[in-house]
Amino acid sequence: AQTVTQSQPEMSVQEAETVTLSCTYDTSENNYYLFWYKQPPSRQMILVIRQEAYKQQNATENRFSVNFQKAAKSFSLKISDSQLGDTAMYFCAFMKSAGYGNKLVFGAGTILRVKS
Amino acid sequence: EAEVAQSPRYKITEKSQAVAFWCDPISGHATLYWYRQILGQGPELLVQFQDESVVDDSQLPKDRFSAERLKGVDSTLKIQPAELGDSAMYLCASSSPGDREEQFFGPGTRLTVL
Repeated sequence: AQTVTQSQPEMSVQEAETVTLSCTYDTSENNYYLFWYKQPPSRQMILVIRQEAYKQQNATENRFSVNFQKAAKSFSLKISDSQLGDTAMYFCAFMKSAGYGNKLVFGAGTILRVKS
Repeated sequence: EAEVAQSPRYKITEKSQAVAFWCDPISGHATLYWYRQILGQGPELLVQFQDESVVDDSQLPKDRFSAERLKGVDSTLKIQPAELGDSAMYLCASSSPGDREEQFFGPGTRLTVL
């Protein structure tokens, strides 16, 4: 079974600064996907960024980038130029890639507060 | 922009009562997921449908929970009888093969059992 661990229950960052959220996972699979999802207060969860395990290049989406270390089973999220709207719960999630429509296995989440 | 719809948004019930939650996925999405998110934890899959068929219900407490997706479109999750430990957010998500494994989530139903 796969497990996902987020060791930072809460983080805070000043507006315009950079913050990194940590995530480690455990799996015996060789091919899989990793995701960061954002859950703003009282709003639905949305995808921030995805990484395919077979790709060595780290994924980037505007101000969001990941540091994917497959051997270490580490998948951190870096948010640059933090904005007030980035305040949310962030979940790291794992998905097997065999077949289609596999379930997401989530970590416990990290609450990020962006301060003005 | 198409979204996953869920109702009700909030539900308060007493233990031993029956409750039901409804989810309407994005049009054309064949795969539908129900997750339970206990406060302070990440979501966990309860049941997954491919069209009208159950693909995975290994974590669904079948003595009290049931789920159906009769026509392969919208879905209902039922709890009978509700217990105090069922208090949680119930999230519905849907996906399509053309979306590179992205799951789209609804706003959730927050259940409080008294």
